[in-house]
Amino acid sequence: ETGVTQTPRHLVMGMTNKKSLKCEQHLGHNAMYWYKQSAKKPLELMFVYNFKEQTENNSVPSRFSPECPNSSHLFLHLHTLQPEDSALYLCASSQVSGGGAGETQYFGPGTRLLVL
Amino acid sequence: AQTVTQSQPEMSVQEAETVTLSCTYDTSENNYYLFWYKQPPSRQMILVIRQEAYKQQNATENRFSVNFQKAAKSFSLKISDSQLGDTAMYFCAFMPPQGGSEKLVFGKGTKLTVNP
Repeated sequence: ETGVTQTPRHLVMGMTNKKSLKCEQHLGHNAMYWYKQSAKKPLELMFVYNFKEQTENNSVPSRFSPECPNSSHLFLHLHTLQPEDSALYLCASSQVSGGGAGETQYFGPGTRLLVL
Repeated sequence: AQTVTQSQPEMSVQEAETVTLSCTYDTSENNYYLFWYKQPPSRQMILVIRQEAYKQQNATENRFSVNFQKAAKSFSLKISDSQLGDTAMYFCAFMPPQGGSEKLVFGKGTKLTVNP
């Protein structure tokens, strides 16, 4: 295991539901990430939190709402999703320094989301 | 914008043989980082190997090694003595030398099957 956990591992939701994905890292890292992994497409970075501050939002629709209460926990709140949002959502963490030293990102197992 | 291309969507190899997965990238940066990640079926994505562009020596981790050709912007992964547990999706990734929030640019992946 990589030290990054995600719950739930599988989620089925209707388009009118509200649900949340949770990620927790036990590595003492200061940056956390949400990625979307769809079939036959590269991983898409969604959000980046560095020292609990959101530093990247790659034009993600507002139906996805991230929350980072501390450097160990990251949430992705979901509401009124579309079927095309069905994918594997991966969380990752890393220890980022200001010098850009190319630190490795460690990934969680992902949440497999199906939107009906 | 940087791009990463993995031209082999799927590959297969016999157990104990050697296989090479290709990866090319496009960047105008001089210093950067390259990664190979492995994602076994229904399991977490884990780092296989990491290369720093300013180091000419090819990175090696046990049975895994890379052939880094900076001028050609090529970063192939060689797996020696393939094992059944090497069956997985393999992703090549590029990281620019940005300070603060760092992000990976991934290729679409190569699905490797090791046959007994």
